[in-house]
This record gives sequence, C-alpha cells and structure tokens, in this order.
Amino acid sequence: GENVEQHPSTLSVQEGDSAVIKCTYSDSASNYFPWYKQELGKRPQLIIDIRSNVGEKKDQRIAVTLNKTAKHFSLHITETQPEDSAVYFCAASRVTGGGNKLTFGTGTQLKVEL
Amino acid sequence: DGGITQSPKYLFRKEGQNVTLSCEQNLNHDAMYWYRQDPGQGLRLIYYSQIVNDFQKGDIAEGYSVSREKKESFPLTVTSAQKNPTAFYLCASSYPGGGAFFGQGTRLTVV
Repeated sequence: GENVEQHPSTLSVQEGDSAVIKCTYSDSASNYFPWYKQELGKRPQLIIDIRSNVGEKKDQRIAVTLNKTAKHFSLHITETQPEDSAVYFCAASRVTGGGNKLTFGTGTQLKVEL
Repeated sequence: DGGITQSPKYLFRKEGQNVTLSCEQNLNHDAMYWYRQDPGQGLRLIYYSQIVNDFQKGDIAEGYSVSREKKESFPLTVTSAQKNPTAFYLCASSYPGGGAFFGQGTRLTVV
C-alpha cells in the first residue's frame, strides 16, 4: 500500500517568513495530493490540493509543488501570519471512480512567532 | 460547519463495553470514511465505504465494525476487542475524485 513520509515534524518561523513542508510518497500510481490544516482540537480542513497532471498550484499565500519523478510534493506558505500556526498534514491517494482513500503523513506542527 | 456531523463530541467507554459513534452527511457524497488520530500521529484509516451496503477495511480495522444502510449515515462501533480505543475519531466524506471533508470528531476515552 501507499506510504507517506512528512518532514519536518515541527517548524518554527518568524512572522512574515516563508515555511516549507515536504512529503514523499511510495506508490507511483497515486494521483491526488491534498494538504490539510488542523487547529488544536478541531477537524482537519482542506487548504489546497494538486493532481498528478499539474506541477504547481497556487492560492494566495499558499502553493503546492509536485515532482512525480521523485515522488515528492511540498507545501509553501509565504508571508506567514500567527493564524497560520497549526498542524499541517499531507496526503496521497489513487483516485478511483468511487472513493478516494487517503494515506496521511504524520503531520508538521507549524509555529509562527511574532 | 454544516455538511458532516459527528456525535457525540465526547464519549466515555468502560472496559468490555461496545460503543457506537454516529456520522451523518448531507453533502450527497457516495464515499465515507472513518479515521483514527492519536497524539503525534497522522490519521489512520479504519474503514471506508464507496457506496451504500458496501464497505472495506482500512489499515487498522481490527476491533471496529461499521454499517452503511443509508447514503447519509456511516456509524462506527468500537467493540470490546479494540484494546486501546482511546483516540480522536474523525469521519469524512468525499465526492468522486475529490478531497475528503471531515466532521468535527469524537473524542473517545476509556474509563
């Protein structure tokens, strides 16, 4: 089955700096890569996703890049703000006609310091 | 916060007792999932269902059971066979090929 590794496990940045979180996956058939943000005690929320036919996707201050050959993808957050502090999870899946069984990384605790 | 609702928010289980966690969605999604989250770990898949009356085991199905009698509902039973059930349980649903949308979670504690 799929295996997703995520690094780093914790990340501290100064407000206004950029943050980068990296993930690798094992199944070359995986074709869907979402990123989730989870605040303490709350549900994970989808913040951005990318499919295997695209190399990069951007939404305001966040962007995701995908390297299919190397089987890794990354989340980039620019101009970080204190409200960006949370746990971020990457995930990968092979999308079928029905469901979308996601395999998650172990998460990155991002702390944005004033 | 509409769309997918889990209840209860907190649940306490005695040793040897079965408990059922509720999950309901009004998003008209075919696929539904149950994940378990432990501190410092990612989300691990317990069971998933792509269509009514059908479901498959995930990575950590032992000690759990599910049913999918209605499209809107996917309850999870934590049985006495699950030896370490204390965790945060998250239900999710998705449209075909799309990302999963999560409920607010149920925190289960063994007392």
